[in-house]
Amino acid sequence: AQKITQTQPGMFVQEKEAVTLDCTYDTSDPSYGLFWYKQPSSGEMIFLIYQGSYDQQNATEGRYSLNFQKARKSANLVISASQLGDSAMYFCAMREGLNTGNQFYFGTGTSLTVIP
Amino acid sequence: DAGVIQSPRHEVTEMGQEVTLRCKPISGHNSLFWYRQTMMRGLELLIYFNNNVPIDDSGMPEDRFSAKMPNASFSTLKIQPSEPRDSAVYFCASSFSRPRNSPLHFGNGTRLTVT
Repeated sequence: AQKITQTQPGMFVQEKEAVTLDCTYDTSDPSYGLFWYKQPSSGEMIFLIYQGSYDQQNATEGRYSLNFQKARKSANLVISASQLGDSAMYFCAMREGLNTGNQFYFGTGTSLTVIP
Repeated sequence: DAGVIQSPRHEVTEMGQEVTLRCKPISGHNSLFWYRQTMMRGLELLIYFNNNVPIDDSGMPEDRFSAKMPNASFSTLKIQPSEPRDSAVYFCASSFSRPRNSPLHFGNGTRLTVT
């Protein structure tokens, strides 16, 4: 089974609108962390936001927030007030805390296009 | 702070040649990862190290690929001999192994083209 699933290959959003990028995960580890990365067309991978499995509140970082639903094993990224510069690939990733292997698992990504 | 440094940024080589990609992780990070990214396969983990020790190399495509981490500040990924299907962007990334909320920091990648 896939550890991280991103079901939206591509998404479009109007400038200044909010958009939600979906991410579901699969783990039996009670301790894990979820990460979102942005990859613009220039190619670099930029860390955006982190959510821990024991965190009581949804993570927020500026215009980015995470809609964390633990029972559903989902960690959707919400981008508010979209800007043209938000057009990029977005990757969801997970790290299992008790897994001594320390590996990060990545999804296949969602391509976001912001329309002026 | 200097981020993860990869070299070269671009590499064009002919099939059959040896290619060596280099990486300097962020100082203090004790986990290092090599990824390959293509349009067809997305982001693939090739190998990762904890405290300079290879932990999982199951993602290495075949014996033509090898990776080393002789010390905490340097790693190499070698392809010998290279083939056109190895063309991809290769990322090196580093992190602290603990705590679990330590994010992965990526280098800018090496774009490899094998003709």
